[in-house]
Amino acid sequence: EAGVAQSPRYKIIEKRQSVAFWCNPISGHATLYWYQQILGQGPKLLIQFQNNGVVDDSQLPKDRFSAERLKGVDSTLKIQPAKLEDSAVYLCASSLVPGSYEQYFGPGTRLTVT
Amino acid sequence: QQQVKQSPQSLIVQKGGIPIINCAYENTAFDYFPWYQQFPGKGPALLIAIRPDVSEKKEGRFTISFNKSAKQFSLHIMDSQPGDSATYFCAASNNQGGKLIFGQGTELSVKP
Repeated sequence: EAGVAQSPRYKIIEKRQSVAFWCNPISGHATLYWYQQILGQGPKLLIQFQNNGVVDDSQLPKDRFSAERLKGVDSTLKIQPAKLEDSAVYLCASSLVPGSYEQYFGPGTRLTVT
Repeated sequence: QQQVKQSPQSLIVQKGGIPIINCAYENTAFDYFPWYQQFPGKGPALLIAIRPDVSEKKEGRFTISFNKSAKQFSLHIMDSQPGDSATYFCAASNNQGGKLIFGQGTELSVKP
């Protein structure tokens, strides 16, 4: 079974530029999550999708971050404009059961904002 | 109330030792307490999980101890090996669709 795929793996941008990350969850997993993991900290949930719909985006900085999940499969997370404090690893995860603690994570995208 | 506090931040043990990582929580609505293991350059992977109505759970060399009255739980790794060197995260979840709250992580190094 293929795992969660993410791209790119690394991205370096200057502040105020925009960036987008892509995620393809495990086949059949209706729930998709985006997490932000700052160096030395645990992952923090940014947004949770159930199929196409948003379940929880309470910690998403909506003035600069946006996410979509078209057709209930792939998802894209965008940052525009980026700030220095957005430097982090962005992890995508999926689960078979909605809101389950049993989540499967991709390798992440390491973003550096200079 | 949504926090999970984890300690220590880092831990070094010799091969065969038993590292212990501790976590504490406040929100009594949490009903699942998983542990995730993360290797450098990889995403976290589920290791083991426990419900608060169970005091201990073992899977292979990994054991979770749970103290509901103290709102604390811990991970013990028996006969630790260099391959166990990774960052370990405790977490808490309300399995009724609630978010997964992670601790700050413990970087474990097992020396040969």
